[in-house]
Amino acid sequence: GAVVSQHPSWVICKSGTSVKIECRSLDFQATTMFWYRQFPKQSLMLMATSNEGSKATYEQGVEKDKFLINHASLTLSTLTVTSAHPEDSSFYICSAREELGQPQHFGDGTRLSIL
Amino acid sequence: QKEVEQNSGPLSVPEGAIASLNCTYSDRGSQSFFWYRQYSGKSPELIMSIYSNGDQEDGRFTAQLNKASQYVSLLIRDSQPSDSATYLCAVSGAGSYQLTFGKGTKLSVIP
Repeated sequence: GAVVSQHPSWVICKSGTSVKIECRSLDFQATTMFWYRQFPKQSLMLMATSNEGSKATYEQGVEKDKFLINHASLTLSTLTVTSAHPEDSSFYICSAREELGQPQHFGDGTRLSIL
Repeated sequence: QKEVEQNSGPLSVPEGAIASLNCTYSDRGSQSFFWYRQYSGKSPELIMSIYSNGDQEDGRFTAQLNKASQYVSLLIRDSQPSDSATYLCAVSGAGSYQLTFGKGTKLSVIP
């Protein structure tokens, strides 16, 4: 149980392109979903927290106009990296949680490379 | 500022030995505690959850919680080379939406 699916696994695209990443909870309803970014050999960095049907809460320093998050249903959240540039290249990971106090379950991550 | 501290390692243990990973946290109101394993280039995977003082065992893994000392540990018995990974301690406070992660301890199990 508690499976989170994230697509795509890999994205390579040109600078200026917008990229959408999907995160789905397959066997539970996720009241809250989270988006993280991780650079090589560094810790997970929380980008934003989203609750179904409401606007995402972004961490300090994360541009909300660049990283658009939509949590339209209890099983789906999307992250769109708008006008991506090489410095946005990173490993993006989503997680989902059913209830407060319960663990977060992570997707497999999306490796984004902007040329 | 809520903090979760872990020894970054690397922690090296021989195959078959017990690996002991430690974590301390600053928020005395924390109520949920988790251990995740992250292989290089992969996303974190939940391996243990613990909510009350004492031990929680699952196969070769035992999580230990001492709220008075604000201390969580993970023991891995009969360590295998496949256990080589970074182990992340994560803590959640009462009513908190977020997890606070430690920076992780890198474990190497030597064959």
